[in-house]
Amino acid sequence: QTVVTQEPSFSVSPGGTVTLTCGLSSGSVSTSYYPSWYQQTPGQAPRTLIYSTNTRSSGVPDRFSGSILGNKAALTITGAQADDESDYYCVLYVTSGISVFGGGTKLTVL
Amino acid sequence: QVQLVESGGGVVRPGRSLRLACEASGFTFSSSDMHWVRQAPGKGLEWVAVIWYDGSNKYYGDSVKGRFTISRDNAKNTLYLQMDSLRAEDTAVYYCARGTTHFDYWGQGTLVTVSS
Repeated sequence: QTVVTQEPSFSVSPGGTVTLTCGLSSGSVSTSYYPSWYQQTPGQAPRTLIYSTNTRSSGVPDRFSGSILGNKAALTITGAQADDESDYYCVLYVTSGISVFGGGTKLTVL
Repeated sequence: QVQLVESGGGVVRPGRSLRLACEASGFTFSSSDMHWVRQAPGKGLEWVAVIWYDGSNKYYGDSVKGRFTISRDNAKNTLYLQMDSLRAEDTAVYYCARGTTHFDYWGQGTLVTVSS
């Protein structure tokens, strides 16, 4: 069974930079997993931020960026703003048809 | 513009069944793979199932395999999720989403509550 790992929580100061990561309990994340990232605020549907490792979804500010760092996928927010305070989820496309969510990271901006 | 509108949620007793629907508009539904994703209260997102654009392949998460069935009607631009043998742990908001390697559009979700 594939387990996708994320930091449960993270905090960043306004204007600061933060990198959230997305790993595998066994093995390394590569572009072959097509890592994607989603932002969700309470009571709202998820919003797609990044797909295929580093492609920004339409309308997403360029302060959000995706990459592979070491053996993990990463979401970097540069110049964090108050309304970036949300839950962030990564998804890995692990095999034909099957996607797995990470547990999510709760980001606090303070 | 792209719209995904879920319906069919409600309160149901354990062991009973419920069918969710997701009506799509603003894109070529018959060319799009479609998913169901759920979120239990206060918990994270969980991938539930996918159906390929033509209905030829369907895959399920381990927690719903054998109890839930995903289907689609391309003539009606509608995705379905038949949920049988419901359990308390199936209580969640259920979202439909479009995509193959990622989810590019999401519905607003429909709440399913399994309770006696």
